Amino acid sequence: SQQGEEDPQALSIQEGENATMNCSYKTSINNLQWYRQNSGRGLVHLILIRSNEREKHSGRLRVTLDTSKKSSSLLITASRAADTASYFCATDASPNAGGTSYGKLTFGQGTILTVHP
Amino acid sequence: GAGVSQSPSNKVTEKGKDVELRCDPISGHTALYWYRQRLGQGLEFLIYFQGNSAPDKSGLPSDRFSAERTGESVSTLTIQRTQQEDSAVYLCASRTSVYYEQYFGPGTRLTVT
Repeated sequence: SQQGEEDPQALSIQEGENATMNCSYKTSINNLQWYRQNSGRGLVHLILIRSNEREKHSGRLRVTLDTSKKSSSLLITASRAADTASYFCATDASPNAGGTSYGKLTFGQGTILTVHP
Repeated sequence: GAGVSQSPSNKVTEKGKDVELRCDPISGHTALYWYRQRLGQGLEFLIYFQGNSAPDKSGLPSDRFSAERTGESVSTLTIQRTQQEDSAVYLCASRTSVYYEQYFGPGTRLTVT
């Protein structure tokens, strides 16, 4: 199985509800990132959490990281129809060189989120 | 400023032909990555370039795949003797040497008939 596996595979909610997606991974990481993809193309970076962080917020996004369980969750609050997309977690487990990871990412298969107006 | 651009946006080719895909990273981004995304799947890492260092080619699936990058500019991904299983969207991303966030291009959709 792949590093960075999301669940659920698909999530359907009503506008205004919260959406929670989970990601599990297998190896030690430097950081974990979440990306959004619309219409099969165009990945957009959403948020990054480092291995020494436990929670991070950005607007309506909240990410948690539990390195002991090798898992992360992405919460989108007060969802909108425009949030409809595929969401991917990506783990950076690449070696550090001089304190900087070279950023090779391993992506999961994604969660398809549908927000109904 | 301009984002990552890729060309062509779509490419249909016959099995056995060679194809070349192009990526223009964001100016000033020293790191460049190629990924492949099959239908309904996540992204698979193919190759990584950082400045003038030797590239990490560990994700290239076979010796039919190769990539070049001159300095910190344009990169080309070449697939020789294409096979039907090469059909996918090929995505390029770039980032600075300081921040880990990767900026993706719109991709090239390759269809091998």
